[in-house]
Amino acid sequence: EPEVTQTPSHQVTQMGQEVILRCVPISNHLYFYWYRQILGQKVEFLVSFYNNEISEKSEIFDDQFSVERPDGSNFTLKIRSTKLEDSAMYFCASGGTSAYNEQFFGPGTRLTVL
Amino acid sequence: EDQVTQSPEALRLQEGESSSLNCSYTVSGLRGLFWYRQDPGKGPEFLFTLYSAGEEKEKERLKATLTKKESFLHITAPKPEDSATYLCAVLMGTSYGKLTFGQGTILTVHP
Repeated sequence: EPEVTQTPSHQVTQMGQEVILRCVPISNHLYFYWYRQILGQKVEFLVSFYNNEISEKSEIFDDQFSVERPDGSNFTLKIRSTKLEDSAMYFCASGGTSAYNEQFFGPGTRLTVL
Repeated sequence: EDQVTQSPEALRLQEGESSSLNCSYTVSGLRGLFWYRQDPGKGPEFLFTLYSAGEEKEKERLKATLTKKESFLHITAPKPEDSATYLCAVLMGTSYGKLTFGQGTILTVHP
């Protein structure tokens, strides 16, 4: 069964460093998303991406964040200068041919900022 | 402000003891309501999508229903392997796929 994959599973970084989180969405999906979940809190939307551009972003997704689909299979989230409060679980998700389809989530990348 | 509230926060059941989880929402223009299961340290696993009031979906021991203000996830004769956090999320018609999640219900089923 097709699934969303994410790498790395755990990333530890120093405050101020840049990190890139990688995702391989389900192959025939057209809509891609990033969410995050701070320990013990709700899953929060960051950004949606369709047709090689951002469709919607949350207030969390400020200038320190960017997304890219560098080729036909990968979808990345870059945080330019990490802060302590960026420590969270980051989930990639992909949906089918509509923004109203169900979204399938990857296993997540745990980001720890020291 | 759009809100999604799940209750109870935690639910402990004996194996075989049926119960229901609630998800109430105050959003304008609901486009869809989604139920997910999340195991510790894992990503949300899709369970159901409900699009309109009166709709019901079933999968094994789980049944999801939707009204104009809330959704229920009914668990019939649960087993210990049903223990997980169950998340509800809503999608508004004005958004481009943005899911707004509730805080989840932690379900523990004892043998």
